[in-house]
Amino acid sequence: DAGVIQSPRHEVTEMGQEVTLRCKPISGHNSLFWYRQTMMRGLELLIYFNNNVPIDDSGMPEDRFSAKMPNASFSTLKIQPSEPRDSAVYFCASRPDVGQLAKNIQYFGAGTRLSVL
Amino acid sequence: AQSVTQLDSHVSVSEGTPVLLRCNYSSSYSPSLFWYVQHPNKGLQLLLKYTSAATLVKGINGFEAEFKKSETSFHLTKPSAHMSDAAEYFCVVSDDSSNTGKLIFGQGTTLQVKP
Repeated sequence: DAGVIQSPRHEVTEMGQEVTLRCKPISGHNSLFWYRQTMMRGLELLIYFNNNVPIDDSGMPEDRFSAKMPNASFSTLKIQPSEPRDSAVYFCASRPDVGQLAKNIQYFGAGTRLSVL
Repeated sequence: AQSVTQLDSHVSVSEGTPVLLRCNYSSSYSPSLFWYVQHPNKGLQLLLKYTSAATLVKGINGFEAEFKKSETSFHLTKPSAHMSDAAEYFCVVSDDSSNTGKLIFGQGTTLQVKP
């Protein structure tokens, strides 16, 4: 398997523009996670899907952020409108759900580095 | 609530010397603990995990970690550092309380390996 695939790897945009980040999880994995990594706040969980359904979006910063998972092989994270403080590395991770969920490993993509000017 | 504290934000060692990266956890449940590594401009890769089996866990690239319940610690060690070990290391606890398995990350430790 190619692993978790994220695109684009780098995105530079201007304040106010819409940004869409994409993720293809590992085939067969039931859960998908979006994280944001910044120097100040470290790694933060934004949203968690299970079987394509959003389970916990308490980490989504505000209404400008939205995430969808239309099918088991694709998810998007959208920021509209984008702001300079959204600049960060965004990671997607997927997880197979077998037995006790806490014991299962999350597999991370390479991330999307977003710069909002 | 679960949490992890990585006691050192930065560790510097010489190539060939031992590595010790310290992590303490807090959990109301029997925790699942992980160490992930992040090389520059890369994603996170699992080094090893503890899920209530053997307390000494062996991972990839010669790393291992020991779960010590009495000390609530899960320190990462390697007998001999290699230049390629230079990276950011994250100690992670899995949230068992909500039955979602969400990961809670430490702030990370930057490992520098000097020639």
